[in-house]
Amino acid sequence: DTEVTQTPKHLVMGMTNKKSLKCEQHMGHRAMYWYKQKAKKPPELMFVYSYEKLSINESVPSRFSPECPNSSLLNLHLHALQPEDSALYLCASSQRSGDSYNEQFFGPGTRLTVL
Amino acid sequence: ELKVEQNPLFLSMQEGKNYTIYCNYSTTSDRLYWYRQDPGKSLESLFVLLSNGAVKQEGRLMASLDTKARLSTLHITAAVHDLSATYFCAVDRGGGYQKVTFGIGTKLQVIP
Repeated sequence: DTEVTQTPKHLVMGMTNKKSLKCEQHMGHRAMYWYKQKAKKPPELMFVYSYEKLSINESVPSRFSPECPNSSLLNLHLHALQPEDSALYLCASSQRSGDSYNEQFFGPGTRLTVL
Repeated sequence: ELKVEQNPLFLSMQEGKNYTIYCNYSTTSDRLYWYRQDPGKSLESLFVLLSNGAVKQEGRLMASLDTKARLSTLHITAAVHDLSATYFCAVDRGGGYQKVTFGIGTKLQVIP
């Protein structure tokens, strides 16, 4: 299995809702990432998990809460989002190589709309 | 702070022509990636360049890395319509975990 899967593909939520995005990979990669991508912009890094521990939080608002239950799963819990949070949310994973990591493999993304 | 610049931002070219996309970055790095993104889709890894002088080719695309000049190029040979997409370069900031900075992207449109 050489892919990263994400669910749901599309999500529409109100500002008072709580929802979660799910990401899964079975490539044995030990680093997993969440990115946010607005239209016509590059992906912006949000969080990095390395060996199931949060290693990077790019000053993301607390209304986004990541979770890594095991080495194959990555969740992003959403609460009290704002309309400007509407974007494509991408999950990625990569394999460790020596003291660094190889290229990232991206999932298909979740298109989030906040009303 | 690592800055990654790509140019051009938009490229419209006819089928059969050649062109080069440039990626400049501001601090030392020896690990650079090229990705492709189709409209509304995710990112696809194209090339991984890990050392100075690295050159990789796949079909009509060839990527190179000059770490001394802090420059990578993505060369397109005899473009075809299927190459129309947005191309991103991404530079690894290092530190033992992969924290990459993406360029703004080059939108390539190949006209039949």
